[in-house]
Amino acid sequence: GENVEQHPSTLSVQEGDSAVIKCTYSDSASNYFPWYKQELGKRPQLIIDIRSNVGEKKDQRIAVTLNKTAKHFSLHITETQPEDSAVYFCAAGPILTGGGNKLTFGTGTQLKVEL
Amino acid sequence: DTGVSQDPRHKITKRGQNVTFRCDPISEHNRLYWYRQTLGQGPEFLTYFQNEAQLEKSRLLSDRFSAERPKGSFSTLEIQRTEQGDSAMYLCASSSTRTSGRLYNEQFFGPGTRLTVL
Repeated sequence: GENVEQHPSTLSVQEGDSAVIKCTYSDSASNYFPWYKQELGKRPQLIIDIRSNVGEKKDQRIAVTLNKTAKHFSLHITETQPEDSAVYFCAAGPILTGGGNKLTFGTGTQLKVEL
Repeated sequence: DTGVSQDPRHKITKRGQNVTFRCDPISEHNRLYWYRQTLGQGPEFLTYFQNEAQLEKSRLLSDRFSAERPKGSFSTLEIQRTEQGDSAMYLCASSSTRTSGRLYNEQFFGPGTRLTVL
């Protein structure tokens, strides 16, 4: 089965700096890589995702890069703001026949943006 | 609120008791997923449905766990003879296989049911 490793487990940055979170996966059948943000006591929410036929995707201050050969993908947040403070989870899995996906999550990164 | 809902939000039970959780997905979402999340960890996949059919179960799901989605709408997750190791947040998510919007594969999560087994 799939195994996803995520680093670092905690990350502290100054407001305005960039933050980078890295994940590796093991199953070459995985072709969908979402990132979820989970604030304390709240549900995980998708912030960005990428498919294996794309190497990079950007949405305003967040971007994700994928290296399928090396089986790793990264989340980049630029110009961090205090409201970016949360736990971020990467995930990987196959897109299922007919749509949807079965996800294996990383262990999470606690991001703290300090003023 | 048209998002995924779960009931109850919190459940405290004694070891050996049975518990049942309910998940109501986003209307017309035909895929429904159950995950378990323990403190400091990411969600762990348990099982998923397409409509009323349960298509896959994780090896994490022992024979004490059973899930149903009888009419292809809401789903229930039952844990029999609960153990202290079952204490966790149980998350439900749903997605649509129909192309809609930008995030075709997005799983929308519910708020979870926090189970505490004493």
